[in-house]
Amino acid sequence: NAGVMQNPRHLVRRRGQEARLRCSPMKGHSHVYWYRQLPEEGLKFMVYLQKENIIDESGMPKERFSAEFPKEGPSILRIQQVVRGDSAAYFCASSPGYGGGDEQYFGPGTRLTVT
Amino acid sequence: SQQGEEDPQALSIQEGENATMNCSYKTSINNLQWYRQNSGRGLVHLILIRSNEREKHSGRLRVTLDTSKKSSSLLITASRAADTASYFCATDAVSSGGSNYKLTFGKGTLLTVNP
Repeated sequence: NAGVMQNPRHLVRRRGQEARLRCSPMKGHSHVYWYRQLPEEGLKFMVYLQKENIIDESGMPKERFSAEFPKEGPSILRIQQVVRGDSAAYFCASSPGYGGGDEQYFGPGTRLTVT
Repeated sequence: SQQGEEDPQALSIQEGENATMNCSYKTSINNLQWYRQNSGRGLVHLILIRSNEREKHSGRLRVTLDTSKKSSSLLITASRAADTASYFCATDAVSSGGSNYKLTFGKGTLLTVNP
């Protein structure tokens, strides 16, 4: 059973470009979470999605960031017009059922560098 | 202090010694989880302890939870060089609306086990 998969593992973007980060949850998991980790910091919750639904995006910046989890395919975290402050590691996690009380399994992360 | 704050920030020990890391949090929780992160890598789930549990074991790991003091400890016995990593505790807080899927992470304890 493959774990949570994320790609790309490393992404370099110039200021103003768009970044697309992909996450495939573990087999059988229908709940996906995105977290961001700034250098020397712990992870910060961004968004919680189920298939075709955004359940909670309270941790997402109001502008330039969006997330989706379509019926088919991976979850996508999209950052438009990236700025240097977006440089961070972005982690995706998944859980099998309703998130409360479930273990969340994390992917290897995508390290975004904005130049 | 922030929710899920680890102590100490850094710990250096010799192989074979025990390592103890602590975590304090501020609000009531449903569960507390410990994760390990090797440098530049993703998070590995170690153990989940529920709020009605006081102690849990998994191999060389022992986790305690004291909800009256809002604290948890992670003990790694007979440490190995391969245990060198950052260790994070993550809490999912009890809140109205049942949004207890949001994991809140501290900044972690960097454990170095010297061979």
